[in-house]
Amino acid sequence: GAVVSQHPSRVICKSGTSVKIECRSLDFQATTMFWYRQFPKKSLMLMATSNEGSKATYEQGVEKDKFLINHASLTLSTLTVTSAHPEDSSFYICSARDSGVSEAFFGQGTRLTVV
Amino acid sequence: QKEVEQNSGPLSVPEGAIASLNCTYSDRVSQSFFWYRQYSGKSPELIMSIYSNGDKEDGRFTAQLNKASQYVSLLIRDSQPSDSATYLCAVRRTGGSYIPTFGRGTSLIVHP
Repeated sequence: GAVVSQHPSRVICKSGTSVKIECRSLDFQATTMFWYRQFPKKSLMLMATSNEGSKATYEQGVEKDKFLINHASLTLSTLTVTSAHPEDSSFYICSARDSGVSEAFFGQGTRLTVV
Repeated sequence: QKEVEQNSGPLSVPEGAIASLNCTYSDRVSQSFFWYRQYSGKSPELIMSIYSNGDKEDGRFTAQLNKASQYVSLLIRDSQPSDSATYLCAVRRTGGSYIPTFGRGTSLIVHP
């Protein structure tokens, strides 16, 4: 199956700092990337959808100035959590699909802890 | 509003039994259906996709789709303790934004 690599897997940062999470498709062109957030024992929450070369489309209630998404190439998308606060602590997961394929594949996820 | 419904469980089955996981969806124009497995603390992993009515088998897994009833299921034969996880059902339209809609997942526990 297609491989999506997400880094870092874990990160601890201080309140007020910014954190960048990378999501790479290793063996296919990710024309569409999805970013999710998941709190413990809760379901996946879609944050935003991005298409290569275009601005991301954010879900209702997700602050686009706080969660900056860049999808500048067909193999890389980044999510930057700006001015992180403890309530941003969560499991962030990217998912990617190729335009010629129906399935979307997930990265390994990033566990963010803001202290 | 597009919805995907799953029983949250937990569904508990003995080792070696058949586990049956069910999912219903509200959007009649859904064309693509997926089952993902998510272990605790890990990201989801795609295990099955199905697009046509009927059954699709892959090893111990069988996905069943009935578009008239808006129902998709996943059967796991010879369940193993390593199958214990949360199973997420996802549906998607063809075209448009390609955003999949996920159910909340069913927790499966396979006990020895």
